[in-house]
Amino acid sequence: GAVVSQHPSRVICKSGTSVKIECRSLDFQATTMFWYRQFPKQSLMLMATSNEGSKATYEQGVEKDKFLINHASLTLSTLTVTSAHPEDSSFYICSAVKQGASYEQYFGPGTRLTVT
Amino acid sequence: AQKVTQAQTEISVVEKEDVTLDCVYETRDTTYYLFWYKQPPSGELVFLIRRNSFDEQNEISGRYSWNFQKSTSSFNFTITASQVVDSAVYFCALSHRQGAQKLVFGQGTRLTINP
Repeated sequence: GAVVSQHPSRVICKSGTSVKIECRSLDFQATTMFWYRQFPKQSLMLMATSNEGSKATYEQGVEKDKFLINHASLTLSTLTVTSAHPEDSSFYICSAVKQGASYEQYFGPGTRLTVT
Repeated sequence: AQKVTQAQTEISVVEKEDVTLDCVYETRDTTYYLFWYKQPPSGELVFLIRRNSFDEQNEISGRYSWNFQKSTSSFNFTITASQVVDSAVYFCALSHRQGAQKLVFGQGTRLTINP
């Protein structure tokens, strides 16, 4: 099967600091990765589409300067929450689309961010 | 615009009962994909099914079955003889364009199976 990992699984940071979350496709190459955010007891909301070698595409209302996305290789995308605030506390989930199989999307286990 | 509505916020049943989770979607596309995912307390999304808009056949997989009705824009999910391990949040989702795979999720239905 296709495995997607996220690191870290949990992170607590202080307000004003930045935190980086990694999303890796372990056994396949992914030209496209997606980043979602899920607030407690709510649905997943797409934040941005990350394409290898190009700039990410952000959904309406998502601040690109606050949520920096880098997709430097076919197996790694990173999301950096800059100058985090308590309202950024959430569950961040990535997914990766298998190269050549555009309908196959695999989700990572998620990263729970708590900003104090 | 694409939209997925799961009107049932929470459902609670006793083990061995059958339960149906409703999903209604809106899209202007003629080609689209519908999905169901399970999210247990651990948080990781578990893929259950993908259905394309041209395939209206119902599907059964063990205790799970899905009823896709284009006429009513619904894609309902039934669990037969529910078990405690089925307790989770279930999301219905819509991908509005083949190849793009951006998913629009419904609000989710929290299913609790009581012993």
